[in-house]
Amino acid sequence: SAVISQKPSRDICQRGTSLTIQCQVDSQVTMMFWYRQQPGQSLTLIATANQGSEATYESGFVIDKFPISRPNLTFSTLTVSNMSPEDSSIYLCSVDRDRATEAFFGQGTRLTVV
Amino acid sequence: QKEVEQNSGPLSVPEGAIASLNCTYSDRGSQSFFWYRQYSGKSPELIMFIYSNGDKEDGRFTAQLNKASQYVSLLIRDSQPSDSATYLCAVKVWNNDMRFGAGTRLTVKP
Repeated sequence: SAVISQKPSRDICQRGTSLTIQCQVDSQVTMMFWYRQQPGQSLTLIATANQGSEATYESGFVIDKFPISRPNLTFSTLTVSNMSPEDSSIYLCSVDRDRATEAFFGQGTRLTVV
Repeated sequence: QKEVEQNSGPLSVPEGAIASLNCTYSDRGSQSFFWYRQYSGKSPELIMFIYSNGDKEDGRFTAQLNKASQYVSLLIRDSQPSDSATYLCAVKVWNNDMRFGAGTRLTVKP
């Protein structure tokens, strides 16, 4: 298993501002994933973050809006930029160790934009 | 067509009954299949995973996989009120990304 610490756990932000979410893993992992879960919805993959390379974004998500850093094998950040109320959601960090294994999730960040 | 489809529910069963949750997927190259449970306000937690056709049992939970039909299911025997949650079906696709279904909300009534 993997222990993932994600912070902040929740925040209320003003529109037009940015929030950076941090994800720390207790061991080295190659791939880290960022998901969004809008109210009453399932998880949507935002991007995959590999250490030493640019993050790979899914359709509908762009780097300018959701810049990601991956400075080492245990840490990543996701920034939600120029926020609007539509960005109100739960953001989840996830890791897995290889192709065959399950994904582990951080506690999530509940973001409310007012 | 969505990559992973589930009945959104809600599914309601009495305590002690069997709850049956179903999921279909579109990518025939998918190799790994997972069921997650998510309580309201919490992050998903793994219930079971299955890679091979057939059944896999773990306590009160049984996962069933049929790759020919692109179908995976989860049975919960002797359902308890504490099983009330949203159950997410997830599939790992060829590039190792995990795709989630919309989730089925289960309510177990005492």
